[in-house]
Amino acid sequence: DADVTQTPRNRITKTGKRIMLECSQTKGHDRMYWYRQDPGLGLRLIYYSFDVKDINKGEISDGYSVSRQAQAKFSLSLESAIPNQTALYFCATSDFLEGGVYEQFFGPGTRLTVL
Amino acid sequence: GQNIDQPTEMTATEGAIVQINCTYQTSGFNGLFWYQQHAGEAPTFLSYNVLDGLEEKGRFSSFLSRSKGYSYLLLKELQMKDSASYLCAPYTGRRALTFGSGTRLQVQP
Repeated sequence: DADVTQTPRNRITKTGKRIMLECSQTKGHDRMYWYRQDPGLGLRLIYYSFDVKDINKGEISDGYSVSRQAQAKFSLSLESAIPNQTALYFCATSDFLEGGVYEQFFGPGTRLTVL
Repeated sequence: GQNIDQPTEMTATEGAIVQINCTYQTSGFNGLFWYQQHAGEAPTFLSYNVLDGLEEKGRFSSFLSRSKGYSYLLLKELQMKDSASYLCAPYTGRRALTFGSGTRLQVQP
């Protein structure tokens, strides 16, 4: 079984709809992240959480919200989807390496299309 | 803020060597990650450099110069499966990684 899972893997929705993307991990990591990826723009950070009670905005949080239901679960919501939120969304967790560094492990991604 | 610069696309021949460069400007710096991402798939970890110099891991090597804000990823004996995007990500020790836009490498027969 995969260590970081995302559901759904693909979703098509309409403008104005509320949608939730879910992420679960079995790695036991405290840190979790949501990124979006658009062609030519790389990965951009939406929200991140260092533990259940610690949630922080990333560089592009407008129009998104998150919920950290448990150490293993981190959900991303689009309150009212708009077409420019069409993108590939990745959840990630991170593990502590030597020297204070955290390596990130990514889920398989959710391809979201907003019509 | 952070500024990360990588070439957008590169093409190389199977069996050859290719070097993918990354320059960065960050507020604070701990080290630099390289990730590989095949089209439509999740990024996967390749390397992490803290100290200046070259670190070799099989066919892949990564170099860092902290004073110059420069890194490169060296891929030897290229294989078709190496066709992917390569993402440079400086680590500042705060929050999460910031990724460059990535270099799309096309390996041709």
